[in-house]
Amino acid sequence: DAGVTQSPTHLIKTRGQQVTLRCSPKSGHDTVSWYQQALGQGPQFIFQYYEEEERQRGNFPDRFSGHQFPNYSSELNVNALLLGDSALYLCASSLRVKETQYFGPGTRLLVL
Amino acid sequence: KNQVEQSPQSLIILEGKNCTLQCNYTVSPFSNLRWYKQDTGRGPVSLTIMTFSENTKSNGRYTATLDADTKQSSLHITASQLSDSASYICVVSSYISGGSYIPTFGRGTSLIVHP
Repeated sequence: DAGVTQSPTHLIKTRGQQVTLRCSPKSGHDTVSWYQQALGQGPQFIFQYYEEEERQRGNFPDRFSGHQFPNYSSELNVNALLLGDSALYLCASSLRVKETQYFGPGTRLLVL
Repeated sequence: KNQVEQSPQSLIILEGKNCTLQCNYTVSPFSNLRWYKQDTGRGPVSLTIMTFSENTKSNGRYTATLDADTKQSSLHITASQLSDSASYICVVSSYISGGSYIPTFGRGTSLIVHP
């Protein structure tokens, strides 16, 4: 049984570009949450998807958007990249919104 | 504003020794509190989860406590091993109407276990 998978593992972009990160939830899970973790900091909640809709959103600008597909996989899109967007982006899945979240290995994004 | 504060920020102990990590929170309304272990460059892994009515939860050598009155939690690690070296993150979730939960993460305690 595969756990949460994320792609790509690493990514380098330049300021102003756009990026798409992908996440496949753990088998049987229907809820996906995205987090941004800057170096030396705890993860910051970006948003959560359930039933293909954004259910909750943290304090992130509209440059951060997402999508959940019928197979429960999800994408995180970031437009107009800033240097400060450099971070580890974590995806977590759960069975419904209140259950234990299982985290993927993350995608490390570097913006130059 | 919901906040989770962890202490100490970092900790160095010798292999075989015990240690206790602290978590104070101001999250309302409270739903549950989780402790995660995060190895460097990896995603966090859940250790324990406690709801309002639970005041202790164990997972092997890890024992978490919760005092909902003082809004404090601790994670006690017994007989530490080199593999315990990691960041330990306290996460408190707040219930939002409509069945959703907002998690607030602490910054973590970085634990280093020396042989």
